[in-house]
Amino acid sequence: KNQVEQSPQSLIILEGKNCTLQCNYTVSPFSNLRWYKQDTGRGPVSLTIMTFSENTKSNGRYTATLDADTKQSSLHITASQLSDSASYICVVSDRGSTLGRLYFGRGTQLTVWP
Amino acid sequence: DAGVIQSPRHEVTEMGQEVTLRCKPISGHNSLFWYRQTMMRGLELLIYFNNNVPIDDSGMPEDRFSAKMPNASFSTLKIQPSEPRDSAVYFCASSGGDRGNEKLFFGSGTQLSVL
Repeated sequence: KNQVEQSPQSLIILEGKNCTLQCNYTVSPFSNLRWYKQDTGRGPVSLTIMTFSENTKSNGRYTATLDADTKQSSLHITASQLSDSASYICVVSDRGSTLGRLYFGRGTQLTVWP
Repeated sequence: DAGVIQSPRHEVTEMGQEVTLRCKPISGHNSLFWYRQTMMRGLELLIYFNNNVPIDDSGMPEDRFSAKMPNASFSTLKIQPSEPRDSAVYFCASSGGDRGNEKLFFGSGTQLSVL
């Protein structure tokens, strides 16, 4: 069964600290993996999209890594800011499918305290 | 571009009433998706259109739900009759195509509360 599991479910860190969010998936065959940021009361916004051949991709202070062999991804946030408080959702697509076949994780709720 | 526009932002209705959610995709995008998000189940795809044609509606929970896309710039999701278990945030998203590597752009959602 194709699944996407994220950990931790929630995380609290102090402003300025780094953190890493985890995503494990069983989707096969794999096509790409996306990280989305969802602010409270807003829709998800794409942070990164990584294909099978990419093992790291950055977007400002956000760096995503992908290990397609172990089917794991992480999202590292550097020098966190209050505006990083949001839910971070991992989404996986299987090969050859359309956007109608995306597998969503339940998200990690990140809270950054001053 | 203003992005994907959804209306209303909030909807409170009584059980049994008809509810219509509206979406305007990003201009030039030819794929449109309706999602529902709840605490229990996260984001779930309800239906998606490609070039105004419904491609996959297997996520629509039951006959009370229907969706239309009469033209490339407008779509509706209708619930009739509504039930309390339909309470959720409904998102519309659009993309330039429906291939698996396309970028997906979400609207701000409609928070639906059925009393």
